[in-house]
Amino acid sequence: AQKVTQAQTEISVVEKEDVTLDCVYETRDTTYYLFWYKQPPSGELVFLIRRNSFDEQNEISGRYSWNFQKSTSSFNFTITASQVVDSAVYFCALGPGNQFYFGTGTSLTVIP
Amino acid sequence: GAGVSQSPSNKVTEKGKDVELRCDPISGHTALYWYRQSLGQGLEFLIYFQGNSAPDKSGLPSDRFSAERTGGSVSTLTIQRTQQEDSAVYLCASRFPPTGELFFGEGSRLTVL
Repeated sequence: AQKVTQAQTEISVVEKEDVTLDCVYETRDTTYYLFWYKQPPSGELVFLIRRNSFDEQNEISGRYSWNFQKSTSSFNFTITASQVVDSAVYFCALGPGNQFYFGTGTSLTVIP
Repeated sequence: GAGVSQSPSNKVTEKGKDVELRCDPISGHTALYWYRQSLGQGLEFLIYFQGNSAPDKSGLPSDRFSAERTGGSVSTLTIQRTQQEDSAVYLCASRFPPTGELFFGEGSRLTVL
């Protein structure tokens, strides 16, 4: 079965706090891709990152960082020094082959 | 075009009417996906096209829903005899390499009265 679980439905943090969004996936494929998307209040889904199953290097992009661990089937997303503009719904997705499986999303609210 | 284009952006219809939603993917993108997002909910997969064929229609909720794609480009999602539970934002996305990310349009918001 292919599945993505985002156990945190809603998170609130105060501006400048760090926050980690969890993503756990299930797949029997040996080759697959993992993604994170951001959906701000405006509604359009914005692609953030893609990671393939053979690359477990962590990635940092500005205040964003991603931790991919195959041993725990997790692909967690950390925002450092959160800002109000980070308030959005964040979706993790699994893409083995042509299919795309999205988690149910985590709604992040950053309080000024 | 530069991005995925969807029309109409908003559609209000009466229960029982048919609606058509259009998606114009990024030029050259061979794969096209339709999702539905109800208010405050996640993304519900509807159908996926590779070229003009639809290898996976498993997400279509009922036989009132259908979709086609012509010329490997524009896709139309048709909902017949709309019901109030069809009210949602319908999102289209396209993808070029099979390993690539999805690029989403802004969605078509459907309201069935």
